[in-house]
Amino acid sequence: NAGVTQTPKFRILKIGQSMTLQCTQDMNHNYMYWYRQDPGMGLKLIYYSVGAGITDKGEVPNGYNVSRSTTEDFPLRLELAAPSQTSVYFCASSEVDSGNTIYFGEGSWLTVV
Amino acid sequence: AQSVSQHNHHVILSEAASLELGCNYSYGGTVNLFWYVQYPGQHLQLLLKYFSGDPLVKGIKGFEAEFIKSKFSFNLRKPSVQWSDTAEYFCAVRYTGRRALTFGSGTRLQVQP
Repeated sequence: NAGVTQTPKFRILKIGQSMTLQCTQDMNHNYMYWYRQDPGMGLKLIYYSVGAGITDKGEVPNGYNVSRSTTEDFPLRLELAAPSQTSVYFCASSEVDSGNTIYFGEGSWLTVV
Repeated sequence: AQSVSQHNHHVILSEAASLELGCNYSYGGTVNLFWYVQYPGQHLQLLLKYFSGDPLVKGIKGFEAEFIKSKFSFNLRKPSVQWSDTAEYFCAVRYTGRRALTFGSGTRLQVQP
């Protein structure tokens, strides 16, 4: 039971570098989400997707991009990394919308120095 | 703005003590309510959820939550905690018309043996 898989688990980036956080799910879920969690804060929605080819912004999309070319994959790209993007990133998926149970990945710890 | 408040940021209990974690949400019409748990080193998992019907909801591992509409609250309870309940607990709300969940900032529970 793989569920939602995120890579990498840990990464240190220098300011201005770019990288992609990978996320894949094997449950054939239509909905996928990217959240970030800052210390002492709740999870904030970055982007979400309701199906292949369809993405939309969440609460905090600035500095990020996503794509959804397949049902399984929902990569998150950070362009020109900034210290404010130091956070823990969670990918998640659900069968329909978030009224259904959301399944989370294990998180990716990103530090920008 | 729609928001979710968890008043207790860090709770320390001894084993067998009773637990109640507070969760309040801002008014937003019809809501779906969730409690998620994140055990150390693991991903977020659903504890319980409320959509409609009986406002007292039972979840996994002996947890329950009560939806009090007049107070916009969805507090999590457990009569007797165990050391294995040590984790971070997140309240989340799905507001009508929103595709994703709004999370509280989380409560870190530490159960001492």
